[in-house]
Amino acid sequence: AQTVTQSQPEMSVQEAETVTLSCTYDTSESNYYLFWYKQPPSRQMILVIRQEAYKQQNATENRFSVNFQKAAKSFSLKISDSQLGDTAMYFCAFMKHQGGSEKLVFGKGTKLTVNP
Amino acid sequence: DAGVIQSPRHEVTEMGQEVTLRCKPISGHNSLFWYRQTMMRGLELLIYFNNNVPIDDSGMPEDRFSAKMPNASFSTLKIQPSEPRDSAVYFCASRKGGGSYNSPLHFGNGTRLTVT
Repeated sequence: AQTVTQSQPEMSVQEAETVTLSCTYDTSESNYYLFWYKQPPSRQMILVIRQEAYKQQNATENRFSVNFQKAAKSFSLKISDSQLGDTAMYFCAFMKHQGGSEKLVFGKGTKLTVNP
Repeated sequence: DAGVIQSPRHEVTEMGQEVTLRCKPISGHNSLFWYRQTMMRGLELLIYFNNNVPIDDSGMPEDRFSAKMPNASFSTLKIQPSEPRDSAVYFCASRKGGGSYNSPLHFGNGTRLTVT
């Protein structure tokens, strides 16, 4: 079974600085997808960024970028120029496709606090 | 696009009572997922449907839990009888399945269930 590990339960960063959240996963699949979701105090789950395993180029969405290391099974999220609104829980997620299965497996999350 | 709509937003009930959670997926999405979120276990997939058919219900905790999807625009998750350990936030999510497996999950705002 696939597992997703986020080793940092909590992190904090000063406004305008850069922070990196780590994520590792375990799979024997060669083709899969990785996601980062954000959950602010409002409880809503918001997609931040996604990466396809067969693409070597790291995904980027404005201030958010990933460092995808397929051999190491690592998928870290970098937030540049942190803003107060980035304060939230961040979840790393893995999805394989095999035999019609579309299960999205989540890590336990990292609570990020951006300080003014 | 109204997004995934869940009701109720909050539910407080007594142990032993029946609880029904409701979900309306995004129009055109053919895959629907029910997740449960707790502090201890994080986000757990309970069940998911593809084209209204249950594909994987291995995450359903026990026979007290049941889920239905009578049509493409409505799903329910029922707990009967409810127990205090069922207290959690229950999320419904949908996506457009099929060929593009990087299509992300869109989440509803969740139902916070408290069983006393």
